[in-house]
Amino acid sequence: AQSVTQLDSHVSVSEGTPVLLRCNYSSSYSPSLFWYVQHPNKGLQLLLKYTSAATLVKGINGFEAEFKKSETSFHLTKPSAHMSDAAEYFCVVTDSSYKLIFGSGTRLLVRP
Amino acid sequence: DGGITQSPKYLFRKEGQNVTLSCEQNLNHDAMYWYRQDPGQGLRLIYYSQIVNDFQKGDIAEGYSVSREKKESFPLTVTSAQKNPTAFYLCASSIGPLGVYNEQFFGPGTRLTVL
Repeated sequence: AQSVTQLDSHVSVSEGTPVLLRCNYSSSYSPSLFWYVQHPNKGLQLLLKYTSAATLVKGINGFEAEFKKSETSFHLTKPSAHMSDAAEYFCVVTDSSYKLIFGSGTRLLVRP
Repeated sequence: DGGITQSPKYLFRKEGQNVTLSCEQNLNHDAMYWYRQDPGQGLRLIYYSQIVNDFQKGDIAEGYSVSREKKESFPLTVTSAQKNPTAFYLCASSIGPLGVYNEQFFGPGTRLTVL
């Protein structure tokens, strides 16, 4: 069965420093992978997606993620954090029928 | 403005009452979904509908019911049989049925509290 593990429930960075949110997945086939962002009491917005094309995926707001099959990882990065990046981030994998399987989320705090 | 609307934003219900959450989209999407979010957890799929007049159970359908009589509307009823209904409920839609290229777009959510 497919699953996704977000390795940190909370990450705290200073504004202007790099962001790294870690995600590992388990899948018996080549999955599609996504990162979504959720601001407090809001719906989810797609940041980026991997669908078996380029392994380095660029998303919105300066975020990018690299698919590493050998490590079964799909970590999200951003070179320089902005205060507006403070939110909850979800790593998502598709199952064999393309339903979305969500990780438990990582809350990003950005310190001024 | 195209998008997904959910109403109300906050909903309070007494134990033992059924309540219906609204989800409307004007994106002309074929597929619609309902998810439940609990604190510190990811979203879990309740029901989904890939076409009008058809829907399937997700992972946690017990205590919920849906209908899909119109393309733009996918209401969710939380029945009194749902043992733990207090949660944040999110509706989503996608242009086509479940598939690798069919990105899901999410509404703003409804927070249901059972008193």
